[in-house]
Amino acid sequence: EDKVVQSPLSLVVHEGDTVTLNCSYEVTNFRSLLWYKQEKKAPTFLFMLTSSGIEKKSGRLSSILDKKELFSILNITATQTGDSAIYLCAVEYGNKLVFGAGTILRVKS
Amino acid sequence: GAVVSQHPSRVICKSGTSVKIECRSLDFQATTMFWYRQFPKQSLMLMATSNEGSKATYEQGVEKDKFLINHASLTLSTLTVTSAHPEDSSFYICSAETSGRANYGYTFGSGTRLTVV
Repeated sequence: EDKVVQSPLSLVVHEGDTVTLNCSYEVTNFRSLLWYKQEKKAPTFLFMLTSSGIEKKSGRLSSILDKKELFSILNITATQTGDSAIYLCAVEYGNKLVFGAGTILRVKS
Repeated sequence: GAVVSQHPSRVICKSGTSVKIECRSLDFQATTMFWYRQFPKQSLMLMATSNEGSKATYEQGVEKDKFLINHASLTLSTLTVTSAHPEDSSFYICSAETSGRANYGYTFGSGTRLTVV
């Protein structure tokens, strides 16, 4: 059965900490892996990863994909309270886009 | 950038009635759209894949007669919740594969909060 698993399910850190969020997957016909941040309504796009070993970076956020071990990580450095959100990992395979359960991140000031 | 407009953003309906949710791609053509539902503090669960000009593909456990999907044009997909019940109350959200997907993948509508009373 195809699946996308995120860990941890929730995380509480202090401002300035670095966090690493994990996403593993088992799917057939993998096309891409995407990371989203969801605060109140629609998820907002963070990264799209298709190739192994190439880090994508945007400010304090970065992500990398390992297609051999079938996982991706999302790193957030120097966390801020505004980073508090649900972080969703989604895998595109075949003609589907399926989400993991998400990681609820809370950054305390 | 690509925009997906979803309406209504919030709807309250009585049990037994039907509700239609629209999802429009405003500046690009979307041959495929996805419909998700999300319960509080849970992730997005894929309900169905909507294909322009053909029948939608439903995920296991999703009743196709209850959640009617129509994708009659390249810019519009609709989800109709028929004979709604309180347990159908949820957040429904659509997404479309974005033109220029190599960089952005998918664009989401702003979601519809359905409350069935």
